[in-house]
Amino acid sequence: DAKTTQPPSMDCAEGRAANLPCNHSTISGNEYVYWYRQIHSQGPQYIIHGLKNNETNEMASLIITEDRKSSTLILPHATLRDTAVYYCIVRVIGAAGNKLTFGGGTRVLVKP
Amino acid sequence: ETGVTQSPTHLIKTRGQQVTLRCSSQSGHNTVSWYQQALGQGPQFIFQYYREEENGRGNFPPRFSGLQFPNYSSELNVNALELDDSALYLCASLYGRGSVATYGYTFGSGTRLTVV
Repeated sequence: DAKTTQPPSMDCAEGRAANLPCNHSTISGNEYVYWYRQIHSQGPQYIIHGLKNNETNEMASLIITEDRKSSTLILPHATLRDTAVYYCIVRVIGAAGNKLTFGGGTRVLVKP
Repeated sequence: ETGVTQSPTHLIKTRGQQVTLRCSSQSGHNTVSWYQQALGQGPQFIFQYYREEENGRGNFPPRFSGLQFPNYSSELNVNALELDDSALYLCASLYGRGSVATYGYTFGSGTRLTVV
């Protein structure tokens, strides 16, 4: 079972920031938070990951709360091409067979 | 271009038949995983291989089997196909063993299997 909880859907205006929440209240100390997205008819695409500190790359920013029980993915300037299903995943690093456990994700629709 | 290529892109098989799906990963990607994604659901982990040996398996019956080859290609085989096996099958590869916090798995675009 997925260890994360996400809202099933959200809308966002083009050009505005999109803030995607994720709850992972049972996260362990050796589990990272990963975000992937899946655009229709494509495989999931890696976005960003983090352990404790906030992270930023060319695609997005990841804000992790101090207690690590929740996080927020921020798409700073959403475009129509950001319309996708976004998955928040917790994953152990260092274990053999350390799979990705996907939940239902958040379906994000960016509107003009 | 993702660096992970899957073939075929679409496939229709009859219940009871066997199917082989193929995946070609990037050089150096010693870890490969396979996922099944039913319509409207998130991907479900089938199994993972590291250097040609299975090192993790999800809740799938033995009729789902796999192979990984030294040239960074792999196969997913499904025997005795059932209607519920209709899904998108995704291959994902990772550089090394995945024991460090790398940038993440690279997924292919998948094979859409329909069982009739």
